[in-house]
Amino acid sequence: KAGVTQTPRYLIKTRGQQVTLSCSPISGHRSVSWYQQTPGQGLQFLFEYFSETQRNKGNFPGRFSGRQFSNSRSEMNVSTLELGDSALYLCACNPGQNTGELFFGEGSRLTVL
Amino acid sequence: DAKTTQPNSMESNEEEPVHLPCNHSTISGTDYIHWYRQLPSQGPEYVIHGLTSNVNNRMASLAIAEDRKSSTLILHRATLRDAAVYYCILRDVDSSNTGKLIFGQGTTLQVKP
Repeated sequence: KAGVTQTPRYLIKTRGQQVTLSCSPISGHRSVSWYQQTPGQGLQFLFEYFSETQRNKGNFPGRFSGRQFSNSRSEMNVSTLELGDSALYLCACNPGQNTGELFFGEGSRLTVL
Repeated sequence: DAKTTQPNSMESNEEEPVHLPCNHSTISGTDYIHWYRQLPSQGPEYVIHGLTSNVNNRMASLAIAEDRKSSTLILHRATLRDAAVYYCILRDVDSSNTGKLIFGQGTTLQVKP
């Protein structure tokens, strides 16, 4: 069974640029969530998409956005990058039913210079 | 969301049992107790969850206090591969099918050979 695939795994950007990260969930999993992990703040919830609609949103500025496609693949975008956006961005999926379990990818490591 | 309190770090010897505590004194009657762990350089992975009764699976056991204000994750025989950060998370039953998790700082478990 294929797991959660995140691309790219590593990337380096400079301040002011924008970045797009991609997440392909497990087949049949309709919910995709995004998390930011930093040494200082730990794991923080960004947003969740279910059936192409944002269902939940964390406390992040509008520079962070996302979308979900009809095949459940999701992208997140960060515009006008700041040094503090350097982090591991994790994607998680679940079937959308009451199973309680999320499946995480290995993340995309973003470094902003 | 109700908060959880965990020790910052714990140590264990290989092949010995490990008891990871979690306090959640403000837990509500509809909160499930979930445990995830994050191995180095990987995304979090689901370990176990429960509501009131003790739970067992192939990875671990979850012991829940009678008043539900605390719980303990039990690894019966720690291996070097169990070295990870362990997160205790409360999830309301109404959100248990969503992708939103509120992570605390977790417990870093070190396993000595």
